[in-house]
Amino acid sequence: EAGVTQFPSHSVIEKGQTVTLRCDPISGHDNLYWYRRVMGKEIKFLLHFVKESKQDESGMPNNRFLAERTGGTYSTLKVQPAELEDSGVYFCASSQPSDPSSYNEQFFGPGTRLTVL
Amino acid sequence: RKEVEQDPGPFNVPEGATVAFNCTYSNSASQSFFWYRQDCRKEPKLLMSVYSSGNEDGRFTAQLNRASQYISLLIRDSKLSDSATYLCVVNRYNFNKFYFGSGTKLNVKP
Repeated sequence: EAGVTQFPSHSVIEKGQTVTLRCDPISGHDNLYWYRRVMGKEIKFLLHFVKESKQDESGMPNNRFLAERTGGTYSTLKVQPAELEDSGVYFCASSQPSDPSSYNEQFFGPGTRLTVL
Repeated sequence: RKEVEQDPGPFNVPEGATVAFNCTYSNSASQSFFWYRQDCRKEPKLLMSVYSSGNEDGRFTAQLNRASQYISLLIRDSKLSDSATYLCVVNRYNFNKFYFGSGTKLNVKP
């Protein structure tokens, strides 16, 4: 079974440019999460989709970040315009549909390493 | 105050040693607890869930103390391949966001 995939693996952009990150969750996983790790800090939550709906976007830093999950399959995270402090590793994770019989494990993708110069 | 606190280490131990990591969490309503392992420049991967009764998986034992809001991981007979960063992860509600500790780095030396 394919795991969570993310594209691109690396992105180097200049301040002010736009970048779009993509995440493909494990097939059948309704829950999709975005996290970010900036240098020297812990991994922090950005937002959570259940199917195509935003369940929790309390971790989104500001309105330069826009996440979508049209059709409830893959998700994109766009940063526009990018700032220096946006540099870090962006992880996507997915988990099974939310019901009592499902296991609560989140499966992580390999991450996108974003560098803003 | 951070949601999850861990000693960053590094813990440098010889092969065959027993090593223990601790973690504390701040929200008493937290429901699910995990240890994830992260290799350098890789994604976090689930090592084991942590249950109130304690649980063991081979050389790994996890314990949860809800009264003290404390989670531990014990690794026995350390292998070189155990070298990694161990992330303490807490979840307030099932299928909700994870709160991560900053990770504890383990180096197992020959």
